[in-house]
Amino acid sequence: DVKVTQSSRYLVKRTGEKVFLECVQDMDHENMFWYRQDPGLGLRLIYFSYDVKMKEKGDIPEGYSVSREKKERFSLILESASTNQTSMYLCASSLTDVDSPLHFGNGTRLTVT
Amino acid sequence: GQQVMQIPQYQHVQEGEDFTTYCNSSTTLSNIQWYKQRPGGHPVFLIQLVKSGEVKKQKRLTFQFGEAKKNSSLHITATQTTDVGTYFCPPSGNTPLVFGKGTRLSVIA
Repeated sequence: DVKVTQSSRYLVKRTGEKVFLECVQDMDHENMFWYRQDPGLGLRLIYFSYDVKMKEKGDIPEGYSVSREKKERFSLILESASTNQTSMYLCASSLTDVDSPLHFGNGTRLTVT
Repeated sequence: GQQVMQIPQYQHVQEGEDFTTYCNSSTTLSNIQWYKQRPGGHPVFLIQLVKSGEVKKQKRLTFQFGEAKKNSSLHITATQTTDVGTYFCPPSGNTPLVFGKGTRLSVIA
């Protein structure tokens, strides 16, 4: 069974800090995604990657960057955390086939104070 | 990616009542996927619909893809408290998936 593991379930950071959210999948999936979920706004795509060292902007990339140095790991970086980045962050992975379902991690609830 | 309008945004039902959520697109979709997210959980893939007019069932859940492939529906018969959650219908065939707000279902016991 596919496992997508996010390093932290809950995280509290201060405004201005650099924050790393880590995601690892164990099924050799090519595609990886970062979404954020906020009440009333649904899931919104931040960044995604179809291969190692490859990244594409999603719908709301501002204030974020990503890193994919290894196939199994996709990191989301908040360069300078702000309070409006308080949210639930969900990582997902899938096979390269465009119809492949997404497998999500359990999420990281980030609070920026 | 393609987007769909999902209605209703919220639905409260008595346990045992039926429930339906609809996804509508202004353009023809390649495929559509359905996910369920329990409160406090993460989205979990339920099914993918590919063919025009396709109907698939999973126990009390019936998924339908319209003849024109512009709409889809999920119908739950005799809801149970385990059906509580948010249901999403992102169009597939063009990654990345756009999830939208989904339909949040509450079931009153």
